[in-house]
Amino acid sequence: EAQVTQNPRYLITVTGKKLTVTCSQNMNHEYMSWYRQDPGLGLRQIYYSMNVEVTDKGDVPEGYKVSRKEKRNFPLILESPSPNQTSLYFCASSPRSGTSGYNEQFFGPGTRLTVL
Amino acid sequence: GENVEQHPSTLSVQEGDSAVIKCTYSDSASNYFPWYKQELGKGPQLIIDIRSNVGEKKDQRIAVTLNKTAKHFSLHITETQPEDSAVYFCAASSTGNQFYFGTGTSLTVIP
Repeated sequence: EAQVTQNPRYLITVTGKKLTVTCSQNMNHEYMSWYRQDPGLGLRQIYYSMNVEVTDKGDVPEGYKVSRKEKRNFPLILESPSPNQTSLYFCASSPRSGTSGYNEQFFGPGTRLTVL
Repeated sequence: GENVEQHPSTLSVQEGDSAVIKCTYSDSASNYFPWYKQELGKGPQLIIDIRSNVGEKKDQRIAVTLNKTAKHFSLHITETQPEDSAVYFCAASSTGNQFYFGTGTSLTVIP
């Protein structure tokens, strides 16, 4: 089944304890992205990747890191989480990047993160 | 950067009526405008999109209109059904890589 998977789905952690949220897609998609969703703020883009080893900042990158060493994986790293990073996180992938015309994003099921 | 505003934040309609959700954007370079539907506990799913070289696009009961001059675009759902109840997000992009989403509209269709 074609899908985007995220792990873990739920995570409660404490301030300062490094964590990684994994994202994997099995559709051979070129483009991947991370978003956070907060009440009243909608979806905000954190980072995106146009291809392997090519990443760029979205609208709210502070406090996050990403890497794209393989086409299928795009982990989100919080080196020193803080309570303001408590949020619902979504990973998404798309067949192509840029203005190719294949911009539909396929979203994962989400990861609910709580930082105490 | 781009600023996308979405209204209303909540919308209730009777089954069979139409629903309209409106978005405005600030960056005249934006040229791609997708709409996503998010059901409870799930990730958003694309329902329709439009590019700036088109003024209107329709897919069965769903349509999107775009007014580039006024920088606004709207989602129209006709003959609403209970399964249309969800949160809807508009978005805008000029590069196809960086996306700016609206704050969402929670639509409730009353049977």
